[in-house]
Amino acid sequence: DGGITQSPKYLFRKEGQNVTLSCEQNLNHDAMYWYRQDPGQGLRLIYYSQIVNDFQKGDIAEGYSVSREKKESFPLTVTSAQKNPTAFYLCASSWDSLRTTLHFGNGTRLTVT
Amino acid sequence: AQKITQTQPGMFVQEKEAVTLDCTYDTSDPSYGLFWYKQPSSGEMIFLIYQGSYDQQNATEGRYSLNFQKARKSANLVISASQLGDSAMYFCAMREASAGGTSYGKLTFGQGTILTVHP
Repeated sequence: DGGITQSPKYLFRKEGQNVTLSCEQNLNHDAMYWYRQDPGQGLRLIYYSQIVNDFQKGDIAEGYSVSREKKESFPLTVTSAQKNPTAFYLCASSWDSLRTTLHFGNGTRLTVT
Repeated sequence: AQKITQTQPGMFVQEKEAVTLDCTYDTSDPSYGLFWYKQPSSGEMIFLIYQGSYDQQNATEGRYSLNFQKARKSANLVISASQLGDSAMYFCAMREASAGGTSYGKLTFGQGTILTVHP
């Protein structure tokens, strides 16, 4: 079955450590996205990529970094520069078309103490 | 300015009744798409329904329909015959054709509405 896999589901880190969240898709989608969700809030875009080796900053890119070396993979690194990293992180992918929906992974809940 | 506004933080509905969740949007792009997603407490995002700005008819998908009023820039979700399993957070989102200079841009989400269905 095609889909998006995010791992791990829960992640705990100490403050000051970088952490990388994994996102893999086998839907052959061109575009991939990372969103952040805080409790009771909507989704905010961190980074997105429409083709391999290219990505764009979203609305809240500070303190995050990404890479897109393969079409299937779009890992997100939460760096120590991110002031409030504790959140729910959702990865998504889609065809690069106006009408197509995003397909989401099940999310990673990151807690930094 | 907010591009997507959902003014109802929470809504309650009796099982088997219909409910309308409000969404207004702001764009100057003539070509855009509007989406509704459901997020249960498990956190997954479930796509419900899509409306294109040039679509002549309101979108429907089973018990979900979209009341699209283009001049008012509103895209309200109507859920008919509510079920207990409909209790979740609901998000309205928009994709603009020309956002950010890219071909189809990204989705912008509203703050969401928590729907609670009472038995």
